[in-house]
Amino acid sequence: ETGVTQTPRHLVMGMTNKKSLKCEQHLGHNAMYWYKQSAKKPLELMFVYNFKEQTENNSVPSRFSPECPNSSHLFLHLHTLQPEDSALYLCASSLDRVSNYGYTFGSGTRLTVV
Amino acid sequence: QKEVEQNSGPLSVPEGAIASLNCTYSDRGSQSFFWYRQYSGKSPELIMFIYSNGDKEDGRFTAQLNKASQYVSLLIRDSQPSDSATYLCAVRTYKYIFGTGTRLKVLA
Repeated sequence: ETGVTQTPRHLVMGMTNKKSLKCEQHLGHNAMYWYKQSAKKPLELMFVYNFKEQTENNSVPSRFSPECPNSSHLFLHLHTLQPEDSALYLCASSLDRVSNYGYTFGSGTRLTVV
Repeated sequence: QKEVEQNSGPLSVPEGAIASLNCTYSDRGSQSFFWYRQYSGKSPELIMFIYSNGDKEDGRFTAQLNKASQYVSLLIRDSQPSDSATYLCAVRTYKYIFGTGTRLKVLA
């Protein structure tokens, strides 16, 4: 596989569930990101990892918990979510945090919280 | 003022015409500028980036940057129905900021 792969593509979860989103990149990149995309809003940066170290947490509620075991894998652990957390969650990677070459995005996970 | 501003559209152009998409930004220290295309239900895909004032061409796409006026634009020549998508502008300063996107509709 090449590029950035996200699983699952779709997820429906209740507010009391615990689930995880997975992202894997095969590009040799060292920076990985979680973004949230809601209708009619700009992409919202959630977390940034550079060389496996978390470098940014943009005031994301603690019900979202990231994990980056190595430069190729990124997880987003979800628990006790709210309906307003329903959105498209995008993983992205870049050569490094200051890369001028843009991001490669995964296909996203469409999350619905019921 | 929004950090990166785009007209949400939709911008409708006939097939074969030039589509012009514009983006303004507020931080004069911005260094790199990107255009992404996002089809409905899909993830954003990088199509162009530009760092220096002037034009940069890649096939049917031309990115134009004017740092003095703080705008960047994307021109799509010979527009095709397959170009119908939302185009996101992104600007990098010390962080990477996306606009809300402009929806382009190319009419056959």
